[in-house]
Amino acid sequence: SQQGEEDPQALSIQEGENATMNCSYKTSINNLQWYRQNSGRGLVHLILIRSNEREKHSGRLRVTLDTSKKSSSLLITASRAADTASYFCATFHRRGNEKLTFGTGTRLTIIP
Amino acid sequence: DAGVTQSPTHLIKTRGQQVTLRCSPKSGHDTVSWYQQALGQGPQFIFQYYEEEERQRGNFPDRFSGHQFPNYSSELNVNALLLGDSALYLCASSSPTQLPQLYNEQFFGPGTRLTVL
Repeated sequence: SQQGEEDPQALSIQEGENATMNCSYKTSINNLQWYRQNSGRGLVHLILIRSNEREKHSGRLRVTLDTSKKSSSLLITASRAADTASYFCATFHRRGNEKLTFGTGTRLTIIP
Repeated sequence: DAGVTQSPTHLIKTRGQQVTLRCSPKSGHDTVSWYQQALGQGPQFIFQYYEEEERQRGNFPDRFSGHQFPNYSSELNVNALLLGDSALYLCASSSPTQLPQLYNEQFFGPGTRLTVL
């Protein structure tokens, strides 16, 4: 079963605009990660935020985490056509093993 | 560094057949995890191999089995294929964590697209 739900399921914006995607999850976590996937291929790791962190930046990416609401958001600023992809959040639970639990994804389309 | 590699890229099988998918981990990694991603969905954890043993398993039937070799490469086997097994199968490799509070990033391969007719 999926741990998280991304919102919205699909998002189309003009190039240069900012894109915001949200992720909600159900159980306690050790960290939350965001991945990008182009055209049903492999996943590319974007950013990791630990449960004791509230905000993290990486280039044009900004991730926030609210553990009280069990939610996270990914902001991509100044979007480019190359940002067109599906974005997934994944939560990590330390229960003695390494296991990522993915959400359902947001399909982002950047219109040139 | 070749990263995580998977073979084959695409595969077409018929119902009832058996399939074997292969994964070579990133250099220096000794833990391999397998995920199934159905069309339009997020990846779902199948199982993880470490030291040639299955360390953890997701909610998948026994038709899904695996193996890890001494060189850390891994195979995923699916028996008695069903139409619903059609998906992208992703392999990810990592190094085991030495301390509980640490997390070692998982690196994903490009996947094998399995179509069951």
